[in-house]
Amino acid sequence: QVQLVQSGAEVRKPGSSVKVSCQASGGSFRSYTVSWVRQAPGQGLEWMGRIIPIVDTTNYAQKFQGRVTITADKSTSTNYMELRGLRSEDTAVYYCVRDAFDIWGQGTMVTVSS
Amino acid sequence: DIVMTQTPLSSPVTLGQPASISCRSSQSLVHSDGNTYLNWLQQRPGQPPRLLIYKVSNRFSGVPDRFSGSGAGTDFTLKISRVEAEDVGVYYCMQATHFLYSFGQGTKLEIE
Repeated sequence: QVQLVQSGAEVRKPGSSVKVSCQASGGSFRSYTVSWVRQAPGQGLEWMGRIIPIVDTTNYAQKFQGRVTITADKSTSTNYMELRGLRSEDTAVYYCVRDAFDIWGQGTMVTVSS
Repeated sequence: DIVMTQTPLSSPVTLGQPASISCRSSQSLVHSDGNTYLNWLQQRPGQPPRLLIYKVSNRFSGVPDRFSGSGAGTDFTLKISRVEAEDVGVYYCMQATHFLYSFGQGTKLEIE
């Protein structure tokens, strides 16, 4: 059974960057598209972007263009989401999810605070 | 961008009674490949979302058969035939037909 295991909670200052990892265990994500979704406290779900490792293609929501980079290390079945220029509104739980939306990571809390 | 609108946003229900959530998209969700990529997700308190229904009406593995999805084009419905205590949470519709993907605002299901 494939699982997605994400890195731990992060605290960052405004203007800095954060990089969250998402590793597949129990299987390989080499051929799977992975999306990143975030959820601010008490709010709904927001799709940020995705990576298609098999063709090394990424797509980003316009809202995050220029601030987010999603990458994949196929050798370790690990995906990464880096968000730059952090502001308080980026405080949220960040999830990685297989593109069929059937397998979710446990979520990573990112807190942006001065 | 496709806007997904759910109603109601809050739904108090009695245990054992049915519940229904509607989801409307701003454009047809029929893909050029003929499929309609409309999913329903459940998020229990403190947990990641969980896939319930994919492509309008297909129950995901392990999902109880009291959950059913229906609809076409721009109008979709999630129904729970008899609500159980474990169904408490927030339900989201989402579309993966058009790029970029988008979610409904969520419907909070509470037990009366």
